[in-house]
Amino acid sequence: EIVLTQSPGTLSLSPGERATLSCRASQSISRSYLAWYQQKPGQAPSLLIYGASSRATGIPDRFSGRGSGTDFTLTISRLEPEDFAVYYCQQYGSSPFTFGPGTKVDI
Amino acid sequence: QVQLVQSGAEVKKPGSSVKVSCQASGGTLNTYAITWVRQAPGQGLEWIGGIIPIFDTENYGQRFQGRVSITADDSTNTAYMELSSLRSEDTAVYYCARGRVVIPAKYYFEYWGQGTLVTVSS
Repeated sequence: EIVLTQSPGTLSLSPGERATLSCRASQSISRSYLAWYQQKPGQAPSLLIYGASSRATGIPDRFSGRGSGTDFTLTISRLEPEDFAVYYCQQYGSSPFTFGPGTKVDI
Repeated sequence: QVQLVQSGAEVKKPGSSVKVSCQASGGTLNTYAITWVRQAPGQGLEWIGGIIPIFDTENYGQRFQGRVSITADDSTNTAYMELSSLRSEDTAVYYCARGRVVIPAKYYFEYWGQGTLVTVSS
């Protein structure tokens, strides 16, 4: 099973700042089958990024993903108040699909 | 706009089973993957398993093998997840998701249901 590690656990920032979230895999993820999800309190997760760098429908361009192999990054260029949430990376290249433990972005 | 609407909260006894439903509107299920994820209180996300009806494929997380069944009913555009031999550690919010298939057996979770709280308690 591919284990995903996310860092930092918590990121304390202010609106307008840049957020950089890291996701590292225990083995290479084939063809960048990596996704990022956002979850706000009391809500279901929602898809942000798939294929490591493709934004999902309706996702603003301040969200960007990059990486390949075992190292991936989600960047939020300028934080908006609605971006404060927990972010999970997930690999779907190898069964069982696995999630990282999440990074909380808070004020 | 695709919406997935799940059935309501459940309280179950240890050793029993639970069946959660997930009905799609604004889109079909049968040409996509159907997958389930759970989240224990205050914890992260855990993948349970998924099926892709048009490819007749299914895969499950190892800790759920033999204890979970995921099915879909084309006539009602509804998916189901049944988990048996429940224990207190299964207390969690269970989410369904419709997956966009990249290639058979590989899909990302594009649309999510609102979640169903399953509480296992004696």
